[in-house]
Amino acid sequence: AAGVIQSPRHLIKEKRETATLKCYPIPRHDTVYWYQQGPGQDPQFLISFYEKMQSDKGSIPDRFSAQQFSDYHSELNMSSLELGDSALYFCASSLQINEQFFGPGTRLTVL
Amino acid sequence: GENVEQHPSTLSVQEGDSAVIKCTYSDSASNYFPWYKQELGKGPQLIIDIRSNVGEKKDQRIAVTLNKTAKHFSLHITETQPEDSAVYFCAARDTDKLIFGTGTRLQVFP
Repeated sequence: AAGVIQSPRHLIKEKRETATLKCYPIPRHDTVYWYQQGPGQDPQFLISFYEKMQSDKGSIPDRFSAQQFSDYHSELNMSSLELGDSALYFCASSLQINEQFFGPGTRLTVL
Repeated sequence: GENVEQHPSTLSVQEGDSAVIKCTYSDSASNYFPWYKQELGKGPQLIIDIRSNVGEKKDQRIAVTLNKTAKHFSLHITETQPEDSAVYFCAARDTDKLIFGTGTRLQVFP
């Protein structure tokens, strides 16, 4: 069965640079969620979209923005990167508010 | 907002034994509780979930129980195998987002 696709899988950036993470949900899923997971921590909710509209927002820094496009894929844009932004970033998708299926994640390292 | 606590943080069992992980939640309005298994370098994998209108759900060696009155739910793994070794997260749904527990590192020794 098709799963959530995330790209890139690994990303290395310098401080103050910009990063863009992409997420392709499971076909026919209309809801996308972004989570951040620090080392040894649980995933923390950042933001979600349903039918291309922002549906909920968590502790996402103002330096981050995201959107969901007409084909339902989503992008997380991160600017003015800080060392503390180094983490695993997961995208999950669902059909409306049902089971959330997670992608393999993007490991972001900020140097 | 919702808060989820999870215990224990680490659990070591012998192959073939049972493992139990417990979680409590704070928001009585929460109605959906999934469990995820996360292996090193991978994304969380949904292994079982339970909704608030059900007290217990079982899928082969895995079962989840829910006590709405006490606001706690538990994951039970029977006949553990080395491939069950991973970090397990419980979660509660708050509107549409998931609030996760702090995770349990399960090690199954052959």
